[in-house]
Amino acid sequence: EAQVTQNPRYLITVTGKKLTVTCSQNMNHEYMSWYRQDPGLGLRQIYYSMNVEVTDKGDVPEGYKVSRKEKRNFPLILESPSPNQTSLYFCASSFGRDTQYFGPGTRLTVL
Amino acid sequence: AQTVTQSQPEMSVQEAETVTLSCTYDTSESDYYLFWYKQPPSRQMILVIRQEAYKQQNATENRFSVNFQKAAKSFSLKISDSQLGDAAMYFCAYRRLVRNNDMRFGAGTRLTVKP
Repeated sequence: EAQVTQNPRYLITVTGKKLTVTCSQNMNHEYMSWYRQDPGLGLRQIYYSMNVEVTDKGDVPEGYKVSRKEKRNFPLILESPSPNQTSLYFCASSFGRDTQYFGPGTRLTVL
Repeated sequence: AQTVTQSQPEMSVQEAETVTLSCTYDTSESDYYLFWYKQPPSRQMILVIRQEAYKQQNATENRFSVNFQKAAKSFSLKISDSQLGDAAMYFCAYRRLVRNNDMRFGAGTRLTVKP
């Protein structure tokens, strides 16, 4: 089944404790991206990657890191999480700039 | 910067009736994609319909259709014969084909379907 997977689905952590949210797709898509969803703001792009070893900032990259060492994986790293990073996070992938397919989301709470 | 505006935070429709959700966008590009995504309580983002800006013909998918007005930068979604399962948040999205920071979403419209 073609899909985008994210782990974990739910995470509660404390301020400053490094965490990684994994994202993997099995559709051989070259483009992958991360979004955060906050009430009243829709989805905002954090980082995106056009291909392996090619990443770039989206609209809200502060406090996040990404890497793209393999085509299928695109982890999101929070080196020192803060409460304002409490949000719902989505990973997505696509062929080029056509339709993006989304993962199931990760609900992150930073205390 | 491109922006996407959904002016209706909430909408309500009676089951079996028709409802239209509004979306406007701002861009200086001539070619791009427009999308409507549905987000039910499960939070999964589900593609509803897609429109390529260079195509004049409005996209349709079963009970879902769009009214794409390129000059007016308007992209509304019409849901016909509304069903209880259509209740969800609906997001309008714009994606340009060149340059960076290519994807923009509206703030969403919450659709309630009354039995």
